Amino acid sequence: TQLLEQSPQFLSIQEGENLTVYCNSSSVFSSLQWYRQEPGEGPVLLVTVVTGGEVKKLKRLTFQFGDARKDSSLHITAAQPGDTGLYLCAGARGTGNQFYFGTGTSLTVIP
Amino acid sequence: KAGVTQTPRYLIKTRGQQVTLSCSPISGHRSVSWYQQTPGQGLQFLFEYFSETQRNKGNFPGRFSGRQFSNSRSEMNVSTLELGDSALYLCASSLQPSAKNIQYFGAGTRLSVL
Repeated sequence: TQLLEQSPQFLSIQEGENLTVYCNSSSVFSSLQWYRQEPGEGPVLLVTVVTGGEVKKLKRLTFQFGDARKDSSLHITAAQPGDTGLYLCAGARGTGNQFYFGTGTSLTVIP
Repeated sequence: KAGVTQTPRYLIKTRGQQVTLSCSPISGHRSVSWYQQTPGQGLQFLFEYFSETQRNKGNFPGRFSGRQFSNSRSEMNVSTLELGDSALYLCASSLQPSAKNIQYFGAGTRLSVL
């Protein structure tokens, strides 16, 4: 059983559309990260959120950490083909480097 | 500067064999973590090393082991390979073993067990 569930699992959209990916758990996390992984590569960190209710923006990407620090969302505005990849959320329950990864959302943006 | 280097990139083994994977962290990084990635289970934490000591271990059988050397390079070993061990094994390095530090991942070693 995965500690973090992501939805949707697969997403295929047209260029220019908006989308939201959800990361949910019944557990509380001290911090939560979002990664993007492209084929043949390791995950690359996009953002870290640590405070309940925190919102961070990275160009067209908006990340939110739930008030109770159990869930998070990633919103992409005006998706581009370069956004294609596997999006992973990962939560830490302490201060160490042991992260629990979500099930992943595979995003395809069609030109 | 050079990123996290994992060798080999691809490996094919048969059931019952053992395998050793290598990870060279970014220069100056002293914390190394290992993850297993499969389509069914996603990314799962194996273990974390810092200053040659294992700090955390995930829920994997004893066939999975690792070590870290004084230069922070790390190896992981899987003995008595099973078909289910086929996966992408990822290594990540960071400056310190803290969730506040950015983890940088290597491209992984793709292990196929036949």
